[in-house]
Amino acid sequence: QKEVEQNSGPLSVPEGAIASLNCTYSDRGSQSFFWYRQYSGKSPELIMSIYSNGDKEDGRFTAQLNKASQYVSLLIRDSQPSDSATYLCAVNGDNAGNMLTFGGGTRLMVKP
Amino acid sequence: DAEITQSPRHKITETGRQVTLACHQTWNHNNMFWYRQDLGHGLRLIHYSYGVQDTNKGEVSDGYSVSRSNTEDLPLTLESAASSQTSVYFCASSPDRRSPLHFGNGTRLTVT
Repeated sequence: QKEVEQNSGPLSVPEGAIASLNCTYSDRGSQSFFWYRQYSGKSPELIMSIYSNGDKEDGRFTAQLNKASQYVSLLIRDSQPSDSATYLCAVNGDNAGNMLTFGGGTRLMVKP
Repeated sequence: DAEITQSPRHKITETGRQVTLACHQTWNHNNMFWYRQDLGHGLRLIHYSYGVQDTNKGEVSDGYSVSRSNTEDLPLTLESAASSQTSVYFCASSPDRRSPLHFGNGTRLTVT
């Protein structure tokens, strides 16, 4: 069973709308949570980190973490066509190596 | 500026040949990682290192090896390239186990 799950999409939203991306994880001891954006043919780039329950806002991006329910989400407000990309959720678990586990990614399409 | 660089960006090789992919970072990060990314599988960890002379196997380590003789470099060697190793390879680094990863630009490897 995959430890970090994301809907592969594509998630299609109109320009200006809010895009909501979700991620669930299985390791209850997970400590660190990250969202990466990956454009086609490019490397993943970090857009948000979150370590404690609640919301964290950075510009148009808000990360939400609920450890009790084991999910983390990313909201993108005022979505732009340039936000069209694959969004990867990554979780640092409580395993022996404390390594990041990545979800399969959600492809977001923002239509003008 | 500190960075992480991979070389070559593209490589075509024949089945059975030994191939080495280079990864060099100037952040002085202790932790370095190699991932491969394939459609339908997301990012999968090949090998990782938490410091000089330390190397560990990841999820898909068969057919690959790494060595860490200094802080800056973690070369990835394919002992005898196979067509199943055709993929995009990403190197990444981080200062510690709770921090996010910084990715290189990737190497696209084709084994014919």
